[in-house]
Amino acid sequence: GEDVEQSLFLSVREGDSSVINCTYTDSSSTYLYWYKQEPGAGLQLLTYIFSNMDMKQDQRLTVLLNKKDKHLSLRIADTQTGDSAIYFCAEEAPGDDYKLSFGAGTTVTVRA
Amino acid sequence: DGGITQSPKYLFRKEGQNVTLSCEQNLNHDAMYWYRQDPGQGLRLIYYSQIVNDFQKGDIAEGYSVSREKKESFPLTVTSAQKNPTAFYLCASSPLAEWGDTQYFGPGTRLTVL
Repeated sequence: GEDVEQSLFLSVREGDSSVINCTYTDSSSTYLYWYKQEPGAGLQLLTYIFSNMDMKQDQRLTVLLNKKDKHLSLRIADTQTGDSAIYFCAEEAPGDDYKLSFGAGTTVTVRA
Repeated sequence: DGGITQSPKYLFRKEGQNVTLSCEQNLNHDAMYWYRQDPGQGLRLIYYSQIVNDFQKGDIAEGYSVSREKKESFPLTVTSAQKNPTAFYLCASSPLAEWGDTQYFGPGTRLTVL
């Protein structure tokens, strides 16, 4: 199966930018997703990017995709305390019955 | 108010008992999924279903069972055969659109075996 890897922890000062990184192994991935999970809650879809795109921006969120290196990143501008959560990267590979492979999640802590 | 509901939010079970977790969606999505989440790990797929009366095993199906008698419902039974059932269980659904398969998640059920 596919392997999706993320660093486990990120600490960032309020107002700074956060960058969460993810690497994946399946070069045929079609869609890559970022989800956010707050404590004790389900996963909330933040954004996704199609594999033929290099970048996608949505308000404070910027997704960068480097297909050559199989590297995905999520940048959160002007990080707020409400951004403290676990962020999951996930990939969907074609022909895999619409299943997603998730990374272990990056816990982002925003400090004042 | 469309969405995915899971009940109960917290569930306690004695060892040796079967327990059923509920998942309902009113989004008219074709596919539904069950995941298990353990601390420090990503989500692991237990079972999924793309159509009524049909479902497939995921990566960790042993000790679990599901049914899909209605499009909007996908209950998960954790049986006594599951060796380590204490975990956070997440249900998801997706529309199976040709352009991609974004999954939407419920709020989760935390199961604790006493």
